[in-house]
Amino acid sequence: AQSVAQPEDQVNVAEGNPLTVKCTYSVSGNPYLFWYVQYPNRGLQFLLKYITGDNLVKGSYGFEAEFNKSQTSFHLKKPSALVSDSALYFCAVRDIDHNAGNNRKLIWGLGTSLAVNP
Amino acid sequence: GAVVSQHPSRVICKSGTSVKIECRSLDFQATTMFWYRQFPKQSLMLMATSNEGSKATYEQGVEKDKFLINHASLTLSTLTVTSAHPEDSSFYICSARREPNQPQHFGDGTRLSIL
Repeated sequence: AQSVAQPEDQVNVAEGNPLTVKCTYSVSGNPYLFWYVQYPNRGLQFLLKYITGDNLVKGSYGFEAEFNKSQTSFHLKKPSALVSDSALYFCAVRDIDHNAGNNRKLIWGLGTSLAVNP
Repeated sequence: GAVVSQHPSRVICKSGTSVKIECRSLDFQATTMFWYRQFPKQSLMLMATSNEGSKATYEQGVEKDKFLINHASLTLSTLTVTSAHPEDSSFYICSARREPNQPQHFGDGTRLSIL
């Protein structure tokens, strides 16, 4: 079965320090991976995706993620955290059900709450 | 680009009322739209997937007669919570997607509170 794990419920980091939000996945075949961010009482915003190509993917707001096939990971990173990065971060992998057609959905992690302290 | 508008942002109503939530893709045609429910400090729970002009596909455990979904055009999907009760109080979020390989783009959610 396909799944996504975000092993940390919460990550705390000081402003200016690098941050990492972890994500591992389990899927047969080539994964399509996504990161989204959710600010309080808002919908989710797309940050970046990996489908194919370079393992290091750059996204919005200075975030990047590294696809590691051997470790089945897709950790989100940022070299220097901002207080405004404090939010809930979700990792997702696309369902590979080939019969789903347009209904292919995302399998979501449980989210990681990131707190950046001034 | 890829803006999704969800309306209303907040609803407070009495038990037994039916509530309609609209989800519009403003600058692209959404082949597929998704409806999610999110409880406090919890992940997203997919309720249903809808494609324009066809019946929605509901996830296991979601009552299709309770949560009516209509996807009448490539830019509009609606979720109607029929005869809402306090246990239906939640944060409902829609998303829209052009094609299966493209990201989903989300509305800002609707906070539904049933008294």
